[in-house]
Amino acid sequence: GAVVSQHPSWVICKSGTSVKIECRSLDFQATTMFWYRQFPKQSLMLMATSNEGSKATYEQGVEKDKFLINHASLTLSTLTVTSAHPEDSSFYICSAQIQELYGYTFGSGTRLTIV
Amino acid sequence: GEDVEQSLFLSVREGDSSVINCTYTDSSSTYLYWYKQEPGAGLQLLTYIFSNMDMKQDQRLTVLLNKKDKHLSLRIADTQTGDSAIYFCAEIPIYNQGGKLIFGQGTELSVKP
Repeated sequence: GAVVSQHPSWVICKSGTSVKIECRSLDFQATTMFWYRQFPKQSLMLMATSNEGSKATYEQGVEKDKFLINHASLTLSTLTVTSAHPEDSSFYICSAQIQELYGYTFGSGTRLTIV
Repeated sequence: GEDVEQSLFLSVREGDSSVINCTYTDSSSTYLYWYKQEPGAGLQLLTYIFSNMDMKQDQRLTVLLNKKDKHLSLRIADTQTGDSAIYFCAEIPIYNQGGKLIFGQGTELSVKP
């Protein structure tokens, strides 16, 4: 149980396009989801906290107009990288809190490559 | 401030025990976690420990918590090649609004046959 499904798992796009990444909680309701970015051989960097029905809370230094987050339902949160450029290439991971396990379950990640 | 630190690399031979260490600065942490990340994948929750516990064992995994020294360790018994991955410790400080996880840098475990 407590699975977060993240899609796509990898995507290659041309510079200037926008890319949407979806995270769905499959068997539980996720009031809050977290979006992370991870560079090779580095830890996870929290980008924003996504709350169902309200605006996302962005971490310092993260451009909210660049990384659009929508959490329209209790089972779906999306991250859209707008007008993506090569420097946006990274591994993006979402997570949701599991109340019962006092932990967080993570999506499988999306490898974004902008060429 | 919040800070979680880990050593970056650990190499062991198959069958040996692995011990991955983590130190944290926030004494108010409520829960501490160990996650495993295989190449190109998300994070898998391995185990967690409450701050009022000293030890927790789950099959091959043993977690030790020394609150006085703010030290957390993960011992993997009979390490297998499939255990090769990056291991992250993480905490949630009690005052952390929104329950945001604070991650260490990750320890890359290499298991040699």
